[in-house]
Amino acid sequence: VQLEQSGGGLVQPGGSLRLSCAASGFAVSENFLTWVRQAPGKGLEWVSVIYPDGKTYYADSMEGRFTISRDNSKNTFYLQMNSLRVEDTAVYFCARGLSNYIYWGQGTLVTVSS
Amino acid sequence: EIVLTQSPGTLSLSPGERATLSCRASQSVNSVYLAWYQQKPDQPPRLLIYGASSRATGIPDRFSASGSGTDFTLTISRLEPEDFAVYYCQQYGGSPPGGTFGQGTKLEIK
Repeated sequence: VQLEQSGGGLVQPGGSLRLSCAASGFAVSENFLTWVRQAPGKGLEWVSVIYPDGKTYYADSMEGRFTISRDNSKNTFYLQMNSLRVEDTAVYFCARGLSNYIYWGQGTLVTVSS
Repeated sequence: EIVLTQSPGTLSLSPGERATLSCRASQSVNSVYLAWYQQKPDQPPRLLIYGASSRATGIPDRFSASGSGTDFTLTISRLEPEDFAVYYCQQYGGSPPGGTFGQGTKLEIK
């Protein structure tokens, strides 16, 4: 099982960015898929999850701005981030599971700054 | 939302010593839904404990955990050099589905 992240980078406040998490060794369509973030020097913060049945959930501060999705044909899931704020600056991790995350991506840094 | 408070914020110990880390919840947590993670710099977290007391695959038996209700504890019986890291507790199973993390305890070499 591997999770390979891409995307991320520097974006201005109000801008958009899409993170990708390519899975191998398991089918994204059959698993809970999660995003967790970590602001510089800070702790972990749960961001979003997509269920195998397609239901999606978000942390309150991301609701309406972030969208989690998946592409079963590419075995990849995504985090579309819109209306980005300075406080969204963080390393974003993808993970397999609803909880008890054994498998993680390597993390990708998103910097929101003018 | 359940708030998890970890203590101490920083714990300074020497290799070979025993470490006791605390995680206190603002309301009762089903122990089935309490996990502990270890994180080293520039790495994703590593699952240590799930279900409040079950070691994840490959985790040495010097790591143990217990607790119920609002008070949970992670114990490292004899610290090895590789154990110095930041430790997080997580509760889940309610709303939001991914739950919440504690703010972390940094275990540093004395």
